[in-house]
Amino acid sequence: DGGITQSPKYLFRKEGQNVTLSCEQNLNHDAMYWYRQDPGQGLRLIYYSQIVNDFQKGDIAEGYSVSREKKESFPLTVTSAQKNPTAFYLCASIDRAGELFFGEGSRLTVL
Amino acid sequence: KQEVTQIPAALSVPEGENLVLNCSFTDSAIYNLQWFRQDPGKGLTSLLLIQSSQREQTSGRLNASLDKSSGRSTLYIAASQPGDSATYLCAVSSWSQAGTALIFGKGTTLSVSS
Repeated sequence: DGGITQSPKYLFRKEGQNVTLSCEQNLNHDAMYWYRQDPGQGLRLIYYSQIVNDFQKGDIAEGYSVSREKKESFPLTVTSAQKNPTAFYLCASIDRAGELFFGEGSRLTVL
Repeated sequence: KQEVTQIPAALSVPEGENLVLNCSFTDSAIYNLQWFRQDPGKGLTSLLLIQSSQREQTSGRLNASLDKSSGRSTLYIAASQPGDSATYLCAVSSWSQAGTALIFGKGTTLSVSS
């Protein structure tokens, strides 16, 4: 089955730690995205990548970093510089018709 | 800057009722509009994608319409069922942002009672 796999589903972080969220897709899509979802705020774009080895900041990139070394993979690192990282993180990719497909999400909690 | 609004934020209906969810956007120069469903603690599932040249799309009991001139889209759900209970989000891709990312509304949370 083609789709987007995010891991881990739940993640706990201590203050000062960096954590990395995995996102893998087997849909052969060029563009991939990371969104953050908070209650009452909707989805906000963190980073996006339209092609391998290239990525752009979204609206709330501060405290986050990404890489795109392979077409299938777009990991997101939440660094210690992100002051309020507790949130639901969603990875997505888009096909040529412009339809967006999402993974099941990763919930990060800061202890 | 494109803004997407969904009203109401929450809606409760009895089973079997036909209902309409609304989505409005401020910039009519859109590339496409997409409707999603989100269950609690889950990712978003694509329901319908409407390209800017289209007026509506249908899938089963769902029908989505698009009126660019008025900056509105509606999602019509026929014969609602308890399993339709979820949050419904619309998202717009503008021509100026095509190939980048969609702008999302905050969603309408639907509750269908049996």
